[in-house]
Amino acid sequence: GQNIDQPTEMTATEGAIVQINCTYQTSGFNGLFWYQQHAGEAPTFLSYNVLDGLEEKGRFSSFLSRSKGYSYLLLKELQMKDSASYLCAVLDSNYQLIWGAGTKLIIKP
Amino acid sequence: DADVTQTPRNRITKTGKRIMLECSQTKGHDRMYWYRQDPGLGLRLIYYSFDVKDINKGEISDGYSVSRQAQAKFSLSLESAIPNQTALYFCATSDRGIHTGELFFGEGSRLTVL
Repeated sequence: GQNIDQPTEMTATEGAIVQINCTYQTSGFNGLFWYQQHAGEAPTFLSYNVLDGLEEKGRFSSFLSRSKGYSYLLLKELQMKDSASYLCAVLDSNYQLIWGAGTKLIIKP
Repeated sequence: DADVTQTPRNRITKTGKRIMLECSQTKGHDRMYWYRQDPGLGLRLIYYSFDVKDINKGEISDGYSVSRQAQAKFSLSLESAIPNQTALYFCATSDRGIHTGELFFGEGSRLTVL
């Protein structure tokens, strides 16, 4: 079956760096996506990786290793507003999005 | 105004009632989706549509039906609501091809079935 794993919850300190990992096993691969979802709100798109390597976008970076079925989202200079859930999703061979359950990130002052 | 609009935003209903959630979009996207989200679970796909005359079941379609009235409108119906359909429902749209995975979500419809 298809599966995406990510930690349920993480805690980090304001101003610090945090890395949220995602491992996947899917039937085919057409890209990996990270979304941010604040409590009670809709998910919003953060990043897209289809080739191996690091994609940087401001304070957020996303890394992909297709051979290892692994990705991470790196958040730098954490701010209180970064408290949210981060969802990892993979586009499979049928162009269907397979979603992880999300990682709830708690930022402490 | 939001690009993807859902109505109603909140609804409380009773077991056995018929409920319709509506979604409209101004993104000009062909692809539209209905998801439900429950605490501790990932987003689960209910139905999706790649074009006006195209309707496809997702992983949890039982107890739900959809209608794609136009490119911009996609509605979700619960014919006879039951308490375990209490959830947060999201409509989403996307473009084609490699952009399919970049979804634009509505603000969500919180449904409570008593």
